Amino acid sequence: EDQVTQSPEALRLQEGESSSLNCSYTVSGLRGLFWYRQDPGKGPEFLFTLYSAGEEKEKERLKATLTKKESFLHITAPKPEDSATYLCAVEDDKLIFGTGTRLQVFP
Amino acid sequence: GAVVSQHPSRVICKSGTSVKIECRSLDFQATTMFWYRQFPKQSLMLMATSNEGSKATYEQGVEKDKFLINHASLTLSTLTVTSAHPEDSSFYICSAYLTRSTDTQYFGPGTRLTVL
Repeated sequence: EDQVTQSPEALRLQEGESSSLNCSYTVSGLRGLFWYRQDPGKGPEFLFTLYSAGEEKEKERLKATLTKKESFLHITAPKPEDSATYLCAVEDDKLIFGTGTRLQVFP
Repeated sequence: GAVVSQHPSRVICKSGTSVKIECRSLDFQATTMFWYRQFPKQSLMLMATSNEGSKATYEQGVEKDKFLINHASLTLSTLTVTSAHPEDSSFYICSAYLTRSTDTQYFGPGTRLTVL
């Protein structure tokens, strides 16, 4: 059965304290791995798509990497405005989401 | 970038009534749209895939007679929750592919449904 597990569930960081979020997955046929950001009461906002192991993508303070079993979202020198829930999803014949990592960045 | 809108953003209704939620692609045509449901602190769960001009495809366990989906145009899909009950209270979110050649789904802002 396709499955996506994200860790940690919650993460509190001081502004400027870099860290990584993990997304482990099992899927029969990976068509893509997606990272989204979701603010409270809002829909997910697209961040990255990764297709193959070894692929990396960057956007501002965020960098996503992919291996055959997991993906990492690295946050470098985070700011309070980076506080949100970060969702990972894999696509086989449909999108399967993890439960997310709730990130709080304090000034 | 791609923009998907939903209306209303928030709705409160009495048990037994029906509620319609609209999902629009504002700057692109979407032959396929998706409807998700998200409970507090839980993951997004796909309810159904909405195809323009044809019947929606429902995920296992989703009642098609309760959650009516209509995709009458390339920019509009609607989800009607019929005879709503308190357990239908949730956050409903739609999404769409930007073009036929992409597999990235862009999401709407969501609709918070509360059934009293």
